[in-house]
Amino acid sequence: GQQLNQSPQSMFIQEGEDVSMNCTSSSIFNTWLWYKQDPGEGPVLLIALYKAGELTSNGRLTAQFGITRKDSFLNISASIPSDVGIYFCAGRAGGTSYGKLTFGQGTILTVHP
Amino acid sequence: GAVVSQHPSRVICKSGTSVKIECRSLDFQATTMFWYRQFPKQSLMLMATSNEGSKATYEQGVEKDKFLINHASLTLSTLTVTSAHPEDSSFYICSASLGGTEAFFGQGTRLTVV
Repeated sequence: GQQLNQSPQSMFIQEGEDVSMNCTSSSIFNTWLWYKQDPGEGPVLLIALYKAGELTSNGRLTAQFGITRKDSFLNISASIPSDVGIYFCAGRAGGTSYGKLTFGQGTILTVHP
Repeated sequence: GAVVSQHPSRVICKSGTSVKIECRSLDFQATTMFWYRQFPKQSLMLMATSNEGSKATYEQGVEKDKFLINHASLTLSTLTVTSAHPEDSSFYICSASLGGTEAFFGQGTRLTVV
């Protein structure tokens, strides 16, 4: 089956630093999504990418859909304490928005004030 | 924005009993709902895809008779864990899709089987 490798598994950074995490896939995806999950909560969508090469920003977050369709990265600039949480990438091979997602293993982000 | 609500948020049940988890789309009609399972510090694993009025499609390795899914209306899907055992303890999350937009996730249900 499809697998996503997300790295790093965890990050410990100082407030104000930039963060970068990425996902690679063994197969092609048509959609890449990035989510944030707080403890005991469901994931919340941060950025959605639908086109190879696409670069999209959402405030301090920037994500890109790799040209090969097999990878994506998420950058967070000038991190703040509320950025703490688990970040997941997710990919979808199908062309519809209701197709099933494959999730990466997650990146646990800790921000020290 | 669209809201998906799960109930209960936490449940403790005795081994051998069944427990039902509800997933409701509060302000939209969801043609498709998904059920995920998440172990501590691990990723979300898709269990099944649920379409209103039809049988759910289960992922490989997920027991259909163990995890009963009913999608009786466009705003409600239920997951029933039958004859629960301690190894069924997990965080269960649903998501609901309007179609044309990405699915919205519920807040999750923490199931503990004792």
